[in-house]
Amino acid sequence: QVQLVQSGAEVKKPGASVRVSCKVSGYTLSDLSMHWVRQAPGKGLEWMGGFDPDDGETIYPQKFQGRVTMTEDSSTDTAYLELSSLRSDDTAVYYCARRADLHDAFDIWGQGTMVTVSS
Amino acid sequence: DIVMTQSPLSLPVTPGEPASISCRSSQSLLHSNGYNFLHWYLQKPGQSPQLLIYLGSHRASGVPDRFSGSGSGTDFTLKISRVEAEDVGLYYCMQVLHTPLTFGGGTKVEI
Repeated sequence: QVQLVQSGAEVKKPGASVRVSCKVSGYTLSDLSMHWVRQAPGKGLEWMGGFDPDDGETIYPQKFQGRVTMTEDSSTDTAYLELSSLRSDDTAVYYCARRADLHDAFDIWGQGTMVTVSS
Repeated sequence: DIVMTQSPLSLPVTPGEPASISCRSSQSLLHSNGYNFLHWYLQKPGQSPQLLIYLGSHRASGVPDRFSGSGSGTDFTLKISRVEAEDVGLYYCMQVLHTPLTFGGGTKVEI
């Protein structure tokens, strides 16, 4: 059974960077397509990017290009999200999620990591 | 970007009664393979989102059969045949046909 376990809450100052981890168990990270979604307090869900198996690259929406980097460590089956130049509106819960090959839906989600950006 | 519009924003429900949520996309989500690349999620209070319906009308594993999805192209509907107390939360539609992937704004279902 696939499980995604994320790292704990973070508090950062504006302008800093944050790295959130997502450890995969019950599966091999290199065999799945990992994506990241965030949710600001009281707001909806926002896709931040993820691995596209069709071309073998990680894709990011234009909004986050230049500020977000998604990486993977296959030796530990851990995925990472790094967001730089943090602003107060980056305060949100960040989720990793598996995009299933069968139907392209996000069928497994991590528990979420709260990132607070405050001076 | 594809805009996903959900209605209503808030849906008061009565246990045992049916409920329906609409989701409209600004472009067609019908792939040439015949599938609609539209999914539905439920986020229960304090939890991560969970997949309910994939490809417009297919229930995810473990989802009760009181949930159903329908529609094609740009208009989609999620129906709950008989609402139960455990169904409260935020419901989101999501399109995965076009990049960037986008979500609807959410519908809050409450008893």
